Amino acid sequence: EAGVAQSPRYKIIEKRQSVAFWCNPISGHATLYWYQQILGQGPKLLIQFQNNGVVDDSQLPKDRFSAERLKGVDSTLKIQPAKLEDSAVYLCASSRQISGNTIYFGEGSWLTVV
Amino acid sequence: GENVEQHPSTLSVQEGDSAVIKCTYSDSASNYFPWYKQELGKGPQLIIDIRSNVGEKKDQRIAVTLNKTAKHFSLHITETQPEDSAVYFCAASLNTDKLIFGTGTRLQVFP
Repeated sequence: EAGVAQSPRYKIIEKRQSVAFWCNPISGHATLYWYQQILGQGPKLLIQFQNNGVVDDSQLPKDRFSAERLKGVDSTLKIQPAKLEDSAVYLCASSRQISGNTIYFGEGSWLTVV
Repeated sequence: GENVEQHPSTLSVQEGDSAVIKCTYSDSASNYFPWYKQELGKGPQLIIDIRSNVGEKKDQRIAVTLNKTAKHFSLHITETQPEDSAVYFCAASLNTDKLIFGTGTRLQVFP
C-alpha cells in the first residue's frame, strides 16, 4: 500500500513570496490533515478535512495560509505571503475516517523562508 | 484544550540498555495515546499505541503503559539498538482524531 505522498520535499523562498505544497493521501482515506512542525517541536495541527469538507481550521493562520481538497482526494496548502516564522516542515497525514483509525504521515515538505 | 508534556528532551543510552520516555496529558477525555518515531528527514511513523481501556501494551521490544488516574503514559524500549536512535513523540487525542503532540525526545543509542 502506497503511503502519503507529498511534494515538493524542499523549498526555499524569500519572505513575502508564495509557496504551495501538494499532498496525495493513502487510497481510500477520507480524512486528511496538515500539520506544521517547527524545528525542535512536535507537529501542530493546521487543518483537517473529511472528504472535501473542512472539519477544523481553528489553528490555521487564515490571513496567509489557505488549503483546499476540492475532489476529496489530493490537497494543497498555500502560504502567501510567507514570513520568516513559517520556516518549518509541513506534514500531510491521512486516516480512513475521523475516529478510530490510525493516522499515517507523509515525509513532509521542508520550507525555509529567507 | 489538550496539552501534552514529554520528558526527557534528550536521552542517551548504551546499546542493550533500556530507555523510558514519559508523557503527561491534561484532558481527561483523551482516550487514545500513540507513540511516533521520527528519523531525520522523514515523517513520523507510528510504532505503538494504547487506548484508555488498556493499561499496558507490548510489541516485541517496545511497550507502553497508561495510568489514567494520574494522566500519564510511558514508552519503554528494551534491549536498545543503534537503529532505535531517533526522535520519539507521544500524542494524545479523543478517538484518534486531531493528535496533540508532545515536544519530542531525542534518543541516542551508543554502540
